[in-house]
Amino acid sequence: SQTIHQWPATLVQPVGSPLSLECTVEGTSNPNLYWYRQAAGRGLQLLFYSVGIGQISSEVPQNLSASRPQDRQFILSSKKLLLSDSGFYLCAWRWEGRTDSYEQYFGPGTRLTVT
Amino acid sequence: KNQVEQSPQSLIILEGKNCTLQCNYTVSPFSNLRWYKQDTGRGPVSLTIMTFSENTKSNGRYTATLDADTKQSSLHITASQLSDSASYICVVSAPTSGTYKYIFGTGTRLKVLA
Repeated sequence: SQTIHQWPATLVQPVGSPLSLECTVEGTSNPNLYWYRQAAGRGLQLLFYSVGIGQISSEVPQNLSASRPQDRQFILSSKKLLLSDSGFYLCAWRWEGRTDSYEQYFGPGTRLTVT
Repeated sequence: KNQVEQSPQSLIILEGKNCTLQCNYTVSPFSNLRWYKQDTGRGPVSLTIMTFSENTKSNGRYTATLDADTKQSSLHITASQLSDSASYICVVSAPTSGTYKYIFGTGTRLKVLA
């Protein structure tokens, strides 16, 4: 079976500090991977998606970046956090392929508070 | 601009009652429409998925409908239970560069009271 992990679960960081959130998937190969952010009381906003190692597509210009150094590892980073970066960050995966019948499975999320 | 709008923003009902949540979208091209349930502090979990050619899909007490002509969908919850208290999110997918993008609505926060 497949499992998706995210860590840390919660994080409190000062403005201007760096950020690194990690997401890993087990039990599958070459998954499509996604990073979302959910601000308080708002919907999920797609930040980045990846269809393969080193392949990153950005949806929203911002001070965040993503990397996929290994097939099942997806990292969300920032060099300097802003207050507006606070939110609930979710990683998701789906089976690779061109059919849209596959489900998207979400990780447990990381709650980030920038102070 | 690809958008998914949901109404109402929040809803309070008594246990055992039915309710219907609405979703309007302007996503193009359109692939599938999904309804997710998200408990507070957790990731969303899929309830139903419909292609543009499907009009209705059920999953237990949840029934989703889709009108691809008017670009509207609804989620009907029958005989609500306390455990139905959650946010319900409408998600529309669109094909892009070898995969699919998912455009999320802001959700309807449902609270079921005893």
